[in-house]
Amino acid sequence: EVQLVETGGGLVQPGRSLKLSCVASGFTFNNYWMSWTRQAPGKGLEWVASITNSGGSTYYPDSVKGRFTISRDNAQNTLYLQMNSLRSEDTATYYCTRESGPFDYWGQGVMVTVSS
Amino acid sequence: DIQMTQSPASLSASLEEIVTITCQASQDIGNWLAWYQQKPGKSPQLLIYGATSLADGVPSRFSGSRSGTQYSLKISRLQVEDIGIYYCQQASSAPYTFGAGTKLELK
Repeated sequence: EVQLVETGGGLVQPGRSLKLSCVASGFTFNNYWMSWTRQAPGKGLEWVASITNSGGSTYYPDSVKGRFTISRDNAQNTLYLQMNSLRSEDTATYYCTRESGPFDYWGQGVMVTVSS
Repeated sequence: DIQMTQSPASLSASLEEIVTITCQASQDIGNWLAWYQQKPGKSPQLLIYGATSLADGVPSRFSGSRSGTQYSLKISRLQVEDIGIYYCQQASSAPYTFGAGTKLELK
């Protein structure tokens, strides 16, 4: 059974940093691209970052480029999202997602609240 | 960036009714279109990929179609468990954009 379990969320002040983790199980992690997708309270879905299966390439939308960094440790089956210079508009539930073209598996999500 | 225009924003339908949701892509995305269902308080789940292929475990009353750059999700006979928010997503090129969502309610 595919499982994606996110951790690391919480309350953080504007301008500070936070690092999310996602532990994957039930599939061969290093065969898949992985992504982060977020959902602000009461809003729709926004793709945040993707990383190739080897970790050699990463992709971001303009809204987070230069502030967020996606990375992975294939030996530990773990995906990361380093978030710097956080803003109030980054407040959202962040989902770890497996990519196989579409996002075929989603984690339960972790809440990040950016507020003073 | 590719824009995905999803309609309607909300929809009220009766049990056993046929429901159709559409997404219009701002440019050619081929069959790189997916549909997701999000039930209240839950993570989104993949319903349809490649515009027309049913994801594992998804009931056959769900179907997807394509006409040029317009994509449709059809529920042939609405059930109680189908209530939620539906999103389309283009996976053709980054940034991978989602439609704004369609909130489906029971009449």
